[in-house]
Amino acid sequence: ELKVEQNPLFLSMQEGKNYTIYCNYSTTSDRLYWYRQDPGKSLESLFVLLSNGAVKQEGRLMASLDTKARLSTLHITAAVHDLSATYFCAVVSITNKLIFGTGTLLAVQP
Amino acid sequence: NAGVMQNPRHLVRRRGQEARLRCSPMKGHSHVYWYRQLPEEGLKFMVYLQKENIIDESGMPKERFSAEFPKEGPSILRIQQVVRGDSAAYFCASSPFVFGQGGPGANVLTFGAGSRLTVL
Repeated sequence: ELKVEQNPLFLSMQEGKNYTIYCNYSTTSDRLYWYRQDPGKSLESLFVLLSNGAVKQEGRLMASLDTKARLSTLHITAAVHDLSATYFCAVVSITNKLIFGTGTLLAVQP
Repeated sequence: NAGVMQNPRHLVRRRGQEARLRCSPMKGHSHVYWYRQLPEEGLKFMVYLQKENIIDESGMPKERFSAEFPKEGPSILRIQQVVRGDSAAYFCASSPFVFGQGGPGANVLTFGAGSRLTVL
């Protein structure tokens, strides 16, 4: 059974600092997604990573995928308050279901 | 394109009542997925449906929960005799193809805004 783990579960950052969220998964998959969720809202798709070595960047966020290590990272550069949200990674299972990680609650402090 | 529409957005039920949650997929999408999010947790897969067929219900509780996606109309997630532990946000997502198979469009899974169920 595919398991997806994120760390840290909670991250308090100061504005302007850099940090990385990690997403590990237990079985082979070559497709990984990053989503953002604001409190009480739905999920906003951030990145779709479809192959080993894939790297995508949007603004202050950059995501990468290493399928051999079963690891994806979401790197935050020079954090701003607007990035405060919960971030989920999700991996596609062999039965084509999207399996979500536990989420990382990011709080960016002024 | 109105996106994935879910209603009601908020639903309050007393223990023992029934809850019906509706999901209208995006236009042209015939594949629907339901997920449940308990407070402070990630989303858990419940069921995957195509028109008139349940394809994968491996995440559905064995009792009290059912889902359908009729030929006409929205997909319905039905919870009978609700209990407090059913309180959660229920999200629907849709896809134009079998998710993950086919071309670039198959990698799209669009989520609705969710229905938040509170059981008193």
